Amino acid sequence: DVKVTQSSRYLVKRTGEKVFLECVQDMDHENMFWYRQDPGLGLRLIYFSYDVKMKEKGDIPEGYSVSREKKERFSLILESASTNQTSMYLCASSFFSETSTDTQYFGPGTRLTVL
Amino acid sequence: QKEVEQNSGPLSVPEGAIASLNCTYSDRGSQSFFWYRQYSGKSPELIMSIYSNGDKEDGRFTAQLNKASQYVSLLIRDSQPSDSATYLCAVTFPSGGYNKLIFGAGTRLAVHP
Repeated sequence: DVKVTQSSRYLVKRTGEKVFLECVQDMDHENMFWYRQDPGLGLRLIYFSYDVKMKEKGDIPEGYSVSREKKERFSLILESASTNQTSMYLCASSFFSETSTDTQYFGPGTRLTVL
Repeated sequence: QKEVEQNSGPLSVPEGAIASLNCTYSDRGSQSFFWYRQYSGKSPELIMSIYSNGDKEDGRFTAQLNKASQYVSLLIRDSQPSDSATYLCAVTFPSGGYNKLIFGAGTRLAVHP
């Protein structure tokens, strides 16, 4: 079974703090993704990575950065947390395939509250 | 603008009935289609994937794809209260050298005894 883990299930931070969210997958997937999910807005892609040290902006990258130093680990960084970044953050991973099946498997999520 | 549209619901069905969930998408170039189930407070879990026109069955679940109409649906037979969840439709869109996965906002299903 694919296993995607995230460092915290719940996190409370203060405005202006630097926040690190960690994601690890154990299936040797090339692709990793960070989403945020808010009521009524669905999942929105923040950043993704198709290889080590490679990153691409998603639909809402502002206020976030990412790091992928190892294939199994993809970190999301909030440089200076703000209250509008209070959300559920979901990490996902998938194989890269020429047939592009693109099945993404999700971690349990981190519910971040910024006060 | 790449879009995946779903009725937000709630869709309420009695136990044992068939639940029908629908999804439309905007890009004729889309090739891969997925249904995820998400319980409240949990992360999405994959139920079905479908790539070709027609029906694909897996247990009580049937996915239906009509690329000409840009329409994908999920049927749940013999609905159970444990099926009560939000169902997310996800569609890949060609984007440069990659396929980007776009999610709908989800349909909330409530199965009542």
